[in-house]
Amino acid sequence: EVQLVESGGGLVKPGGSLRLSCAASGFTFSSYSMNWVRQAPGKGLEWVSSISSSSSYIYYADSVKGRFTISRDNAKNSLYLQMNSLRAEDTAVYYCARKSLDYPGAFDIWGQGTMVTVSS
Amino acid sequence: DIQMTQSPSSLSASVGDRVTITCQASQDISNYLNWYQQKPGKAPKLLIYDASNLETGVPSRFSGSGSGTDFTFTISSLQPEDIATYYCQQYDNLPPWTFGQGTKVEIK
Repeated sequence: EVQLVESGGGLVKPGGSLRLSCAASGFTFSSYSMNWVRQAPGKGLEWVSSISSSSSYIYYADSVKGRFTISRDNAKNSLYLQMNSLRAEDTAVYYCARKSLDYPGAFDIWGQGTMVTVSS
Repeated sequence: DIQMTQSPSSLSASVGDRVTITCQASQDISNYLNWYQQKPGKAPKLLIYDASNLETGVPSRFSGSGSGTDFTFTISSLQPEDIATYYCQQYDNLPPWTFGQGTKVEIK
């Protein structure tokens, strides 16, 4: 079964750090670009970051640039998001999402999400 | 950045009704537009890619159309299991890839 499972969320104080992980299974992880998409409570979806299959191309939303770092370990079938200097507005459910190979603009597989709460 | 304006923000319709949601891009994005369904407490699910193509396994009552800046998503006959929030998403060229604000669909 094709699956993405996020972990690492939790409660952190403003200015703190957190590292999210996403474990992939059921497909050839190293062939796919991967993304993080977040959703603040009661709000819509916001694309956060993208990393190409070989980590050659990395992109960030302006809202997280300079604070978040996306990375991957193809040997471990894992995607990561290192989040530093966290702010209250970073509070959200964070989803990892696979970018389709067949229709490259679409996120065709999503994890269940992990909640990050930034509060004092 | 390309802005996506989705409307309405919510709607209420009866079972069997035809439901239409629109999404407007702030610039020409050709057909680089996808639609997702998100049920409460769940992750989004891809329904339509490249504006009008149905993802495998998605019921044929869902459809999409449009190109350029104006796009439409339609449920031809609303079913109880279609209660969800629907999002459009553009992927023109490089990131950021942006989503519409979402449309919450409820049963009347």
